Amino acid sequence: EAQVTQNPRYLITVTGKKLTVTCSQNMNHEYMSWYRQDPGLGLRQIYYSMNVEVTDKGDVPEGYKVSRKEKRNFPLILESPSPNQTSLYFCASSPLAGGNGYTFGSGTRLTVV
Amino acid sequence: KQEVTQIPAALSVPEGENLVLNCSFTDSAIYNLQWFRQDPGKGLTSLLLIQSSQREQTSGRLNASLDKSSGRSTLYIAASQPGDSATYLCAAQDDKIIFGKGTRLHILP
Repeated sequence: EAQVTQNPRYLITVTGKKLTVTCSQNMNHEYMSWYRQDPGLGLRQIYYSMNVEVTDKGDVPEGYKVSRKEKRNFPLILESPSPNQTSLYFCASSPLAGGNGYTFGSGTRLTVV
Repeated sequence: KQEVTQIPAALSVPEGENLVLNCSFTDSAIYNLQWFRQDPGKGLTSLLLIQSSQREQTSGRLNASLDKSSGRSTLYIAASQPGDSATYLCAAQDDKIIFGKGTRLHILP
């Protein structure tokens, strides 16, 4: 089944403790992206990647890192999480940056205390 | 900078009614317009994708139209059912994908 898989689905952590949220897609998509969703603010893009080893900042990149060493994986790294990063996070992929629609993962609900 | 607006923000209608959700975007130079459904706390499910060269797409009881020149898209839901209750998001894609904030739809049994 074609899908985008995120892990974990739920995560509670403490301020300053490094964490990684994984994202993997099995559709050979070139384009991958991370979003956070907050009440009243909608979905905002954190980082995106046009292809392997190519990443770029979205609208809200502060406090996040990403890497794209393989086409299928696009992990989101929070080096020193803070409470304002408590949010619902989504990974998405698409065949081309300008192209044929997006497939989303099921989301990761992160709480930083 | 592309901005996407959805009106209304929330909508409650009795079961069985036909309804229209609206989406507007400021920059008409888009590749496509995509409609998603999101259930509370869940991921986004793609409903319909309209390429920039297309005027509409249909899937079952759903029909989405696109008018690039006026910067508008509509999602028409026929014969609404309680199971249609969810948040509906539209997204305009150029070099990035920009989302509206969604319309929360509640179908009253």
